[in-house]
Amino acid sequence: EVQLVESGGGLVKPGGSPRLSCVTSGFRFSSYAMSWVRQAPGKGLEWVSGISGSGSTYYADSVKGRVTISRDNSKNTVYLQMNSLRPEDTAVYYCAKDLGPWEPDAFDIWGQGTMVAVSS
Amino acid sequence: QPVLTQSPSASASLGASVKLTCTLSSGHSSYAIAWHQQQPEKGPRFLMKVNSDGSHIKGDGIPDRFSGSSSGAERYLSISSLQSEDEADYYCQTWSTDINWVFGGGTKVTVL
Repeated sequence: EVQLVESGGGLVKPGGSPRLSCVTSGFRFSSYAMSWVRQAPGKGLEWVSGISGSGSTYYADSVKGRVTISRDNSKNTVYLQMNSLRPEDTAVYYCAKDLGPWEPDAFDIWGQGTMVAVSS
Repeated sequence: QPVLTQSPSASASLGASVKLTCTLSSGHSSYAIAWHQQQPEKGPRFLMKVNSDGSHIKGDGIPDRFSGSSSGAERYLSISSLQSEDEADYYCQTWSTDINWVFGGGTKVTVL
């Protein structure tokens, strides 16, 4: 069974720098692009960042320069390092796996999400 | 970069059918999209990928009541025999090496 399990969320002060983790299992992790998607309270889904199986990285304009996505294929884990957090970054952060290997594709598996709340 | 447009809301009676639309912006009518369902207080769930020719690939365990189709720049999600558990938000998504990944604004489906 394919599983994605996020962790690392919580209450963070403005300007804080949490690191989110997404531990995966049940598929050949190194072959698939992975993404982070967030959902602010009462709002829709917003793609944040993605990383290809080979390590190419992509960022939404809203977070570019403030977040870094990375992956450790030996640990089947993808990370999101967040810096200089603002109240508007408050959201549930989901990890998502691409449907097909190598090329960008639909997200076919989602994690349960981890909440990041930015407040003083 | 493509933009995905969805109606904010839709409703239908229990046991009836509903058809949701996701419209790709001009110049992007060849793009495939995916549909995701988000039930209240839950995370998203992949329903299916719909190609420009109307062919689709469903996620594991998705009932036959859910189907996808295409016409030009529009991609559709049809739900028949509506159940109470189908009351949810439905998002479309597209992707490419140029644009990365994009979501529509979502459609809230109410089962009357």
